[in-house]
Amino acid sequence: SQQGEEDPQALSIQEGENATMNCSYKTSINNLQWYRQNSGRGLVHLILIRSNEREKHSGRLRVTLDTSKKSSSLLITASRAADTASYFCAGKSTFGDGTTLTVKP
Amino acid sequence: KAGVTQTPRYLIKTRGQQVTLSCSPISGHRSVSWYQQTPGQGLQFLFEYFSETQRNKGNFPGRFSGRQFSNSRSEMNVSTLELGDSALYLCASTPRDRGPGSYNEQFFGPGTRLTVL
Repeated sequence: SQQGEEDPQALSIQEGENATMNCSYKTSINNLQWYRQNSGRGLVHLILIRSNEREKHSGRLRVTLDTSKKSSSLLITASRAADTASYFCAGKSTFGDGTTLTVKP
Repeated sequence: KAGVTQTPRYLIKTRGQQVTLSCSPISGHRSVSWYQQTPGQGLQFLFEYFSETQRNKGNFPGRFSGRQFSNSRSEMNVSTLELGDSALYLCASTPRDRGPGSYNEQFFGPGTRLTVL
């Protein structure tokens, strides 16, 4: 079974809105990564946050990490239809179940 | 640089057969990991190779095996296929050893879609 859990499992929003996805993990990590997967394709690395960082930004992405709660969140601002995909958090080789994001034009 | 390539992209096999999937990492990358992705189980780690040595192994039966060649290319083999082996098999490479403390961003290939009938 997966050691990470994303919340929510599915999210549907309108273009221009912000999307927030949460991830919880069970084991200690050195860093945590977020990946994106378009339907049936390989994963694309989005952002990595180290265990000693609390927040990181990359373009329209903002990631936070709370190691005391073993949780992370990914915020996508001003979403676009092209952001429609599944998003996964990962600690090295362990991936969460993913959040499926649908952005309606 | 060319990305991670996987061959074949699609494969149909029948129960009991065996299959070999291939992965060519990004040039200069020495670590290759394999994952199985299914709707029910999500993304599950199979194994990781670095410099031709298996470094880590997931919780899969012995029917699943892999190897890495001196040029870092990797293959995975599944013997005695079962219906439940139908999945997207993803390969990922990283520049260096993914040991503790390493910067372990993975670069994924497009996957091989295996269907077992």
